[in-house]
Amino acid sequence: DTGVSQDPRHKITKRGQNVTFRCDPISEHNRLYWYRQTLGQGPEFLTYFQNEAQLEKSRLLSDRFSAERPKGSFSTLEIQRTEQGDSAMYLCASSLGTGGAGNTIYFGEGSWLTVV
Amino acid sequence: AQKITQTQPGMFVQEKEAVTLDCTYDTSDQSYGLFWYKQPSSGEMIFLIYQGSYDEQNATEGRYSLNFQKARKSANLVISASQLGDSAMYFCAVTGELYGGSQGNLIFGKGTKLSVKP
Repeated sequence: DTGVSQDPRHKITKRGQNVTFRCDPISEHNRLYWYRQTLGQGPEFLTYFQNEAQLEKSRLLSDRFSAERPKGSFSTLEIQRTEQGDSAMYLCASSLGTGGAGNTIYFGEGSWLTVV
Repeated sequence: AQKITQTQPGMFVQEKEAVTLDCTYDTSDQSYGLFWYKQPSSGEMIFLIYQGSYDEQNATEGRYSLNFQKARKSANLVISASQLGDSAMYFCAVTGELYGGSQGNLIFGKGTKLSVKP
């Protein structure tokens, strides 16, 4: 499988606990994105990386959220002190970031988070 | 700022017929890209079709085509010969493009739920 892969696919955690999601982008894709999607809504942008550099962060990314892409390959998204409002699907995506069809952003299957 | 409006929360279509899903956008970027994605109940976001704002021809990918009307800021998705497996949520999205490359921040609409009837 050469698509974007995310792990774990499902996570149930107690409020106040920390959780970490991992994303492996499509090989050779320079850009990696994190989105969040709640029920009945479209995905909302959280942050994106160009190689290892985090180029943009949404205001949705509170100080409890941190994302890294240390070697420019896989990325992790950590949520500290989870709250029930963090319950959502966290989508990772990647793209070449070049012009035309290279702008196409491919998504993984998502990681569902339930905070109880 | 960018915004996507999808005015059809839900649509029904008979199997084998064509259907058009509406999308209008608002962007201040001179150059931008438009995308359509399909999201089945399993949750994965499946890329369908891409249209660059400077592309003169409407994009097509198999049964999917994009009716791009730049002056009206609309990018409607046309699905021909609908199949039962087309039943899903469909999202329109836009991103700015600077120097031919994506600026990264993909803005989505609220989606349209398409149901294909046998």
